[in-house]
Amino acid sequence: NAGVTQTPKFQVLKTGQSMTLQCAQDMNHEYMSWYRQDPGMGLRLIHYSVGAGITDQGEVPNGYNVSRSTTEDFPLRLLSAAPSQTSVYFCASRPRDHYEQYFGPGTRLTVT
Amino acid sequence: LAKTTQPISMDSYEGQEVNITCSHNNIATNDYITWYQQFPSQGPRFIIQGYKTKVTNEVASLFIPADRKSSTLSLPRVSLSDTAVYYCLVGLYSGAGSYQLTFGKGTKLSVIP
Repeated sequence: NAGVTQTPKFQVLKTGQSMTLQCAQDMNHEYMSWYRQDPGMGLRLIHYSVGAGITDQGEVPNGYNVSRSTTEDFPLRLLSAAPSQTSVYFCASRPRDHYEQYFGPGTRLTVT
Repeated sequence: LAKTTQPISMDSYEGQEVNITCSHNNIATNDYITWYQQFPSQGPRFIIQGYKTKVTNEVASLFIPADRKSSTLSLPRVSLSDTAVYYCLVGLYSGAGSYQLTFGKGTKLSVIP
């Protein structure tokens, strides 16, 4: 199993550009989540999904959209990037009845 | 969301036992507690989870008092490779099997030779 994969590893955007961070898992996990990590802030939940077709907002959802059309994929979209979205983004997944989350390697995003 | 509070940093010598305490005053009956470890430039990695009393696995122990307003992660005989940031995570049960998960700000553990 590849586990949780994220692409790209690094990305630089200009203010106002859009992009999609990709996340995929091959463990057939129902739950998937997106977090952002800023220095000194720990990890903050952006959006999460409890299954295909179901998504919900986390702590800091503004400026981000998600969809879950398949069990495997959970892309995160930035419609109009802002410098405040400069961060490291982590995707995670877990089975429905288990508490252990599996994290991807992260995407480091810089918005200038 | 349940708020968690942890010490910002801790230092320990190799071979010592390290205890990191997390406060979560607003934890509810159906919430659970997990701890994660994170090395630089990597995603967090699960260490242990618990609901009440004491849980032990091959790498750590988790102590949760009866009121569940705090939890303590115990790492026995730490080594240099245990230098990392440790996060306390509270699972907030929001119905229908859906959990929102809140990370604390993490405790940076530095192990000294």
